[in-house]
Amino acid sequence: EIVLTQSPDTLSLSPGERATLSCTASQTVSNNYLAWYQHKPGQAPRLLMFGASSRATDIPDRFSGSGSGTDFTLTISRLEPEDFAVYYCQQYGSSPTFGQGTKVEIK
Amino acid sequence: QVQLQESGPGLVKSSETLSLTCTVSGYSISRGYYWGWIRQPPGKGLEWIGNIYPLDSTYYNPSLKSRIAISMDTSRNQFSLKLSSVTAADTAMYFCTRSSSPSYFLDYWGQGTPVTVSS
Repeated sequence: EIVLTQSPDTLSLSPGERATLSCTASQTVSNNYLAWYQHKPGQAPRLLMFGASSRATDIPDRFSGSGSGTDFTLTISRLEPEDFAVYYCQQYGSSPTFGQGTKVEIK
Repeated sequence: QVQLQESGPGLVKSSETLSLTCTVSGYSISRGYYWGWIRQPPGKGLEWIGNIYPLDSTYYNPSLKSRIAISMDTSRNQFSLKLSSVTAADTAMYFCTRSSSPSYFLDYWGQGTPVTVSS
C-alpha cells in the first residue's frame, strides 16, 4: 500500500497569500496518478486536480498542481476567502490511498 | 449537475449489518461510471471501500472484502452499501462517490453521512 504524507498539517495564512501544500508518497506513484480534493465542513469534497497537474472542471486557475514520482505539490496562488478548507491528496496508480489532509486556516 | 446524497441509519449495533443508500440525481447510473463508497473514521484518514459498475461488476477493498456488498437499483437511480459484522472500528463518515475507473480519482462525492456503531 502506498502511504501518502501531507505537510504541513495546518497552514495559517491570510487572504491574498500563496499556499503551498505538499504530498509525499512512500513509493513512486504510477503515471503520476495523483489527485487533490478540497473539503469544507458539511459539504461534499470537491475534485481540484487529477493526473498531478490537470485542473478539474470549473476549478479556478489560481489552483495548480505539480510534481512527479513521490513528491507532489498543490499551490493556491492567491487565497480567496472560500479557499479556507481541508485539502487531501489521493494516489490512484495502485489501490487508492489518501493523505491525512492539510487544513488551510485563516491567520 | 450530478449530485449524490447518502441516506441510512446513523446508529448501528455492534455485530449487525450497516446499510446505506446513495441517491444520484443529474445522471442515470445505468449509463456507466463506477459508483462507490469512501469512509473516514473520526480523526483518521479517508479509506476506499469499493465500487460498482452497472449492473453488477464490483471492486472491493481487500481488507473489507469479506464483509462488503455493493449493489445497484437502476430503477431508483440508487446504489447501496452493506457492511456486515460491524464493530466500533466501522464508526465513520461514509461518502458515496463517482469515478470513471474502479481505482481512479473521484469526480463527484456526496456530502457524507455519519454512522456510529454502538455496543
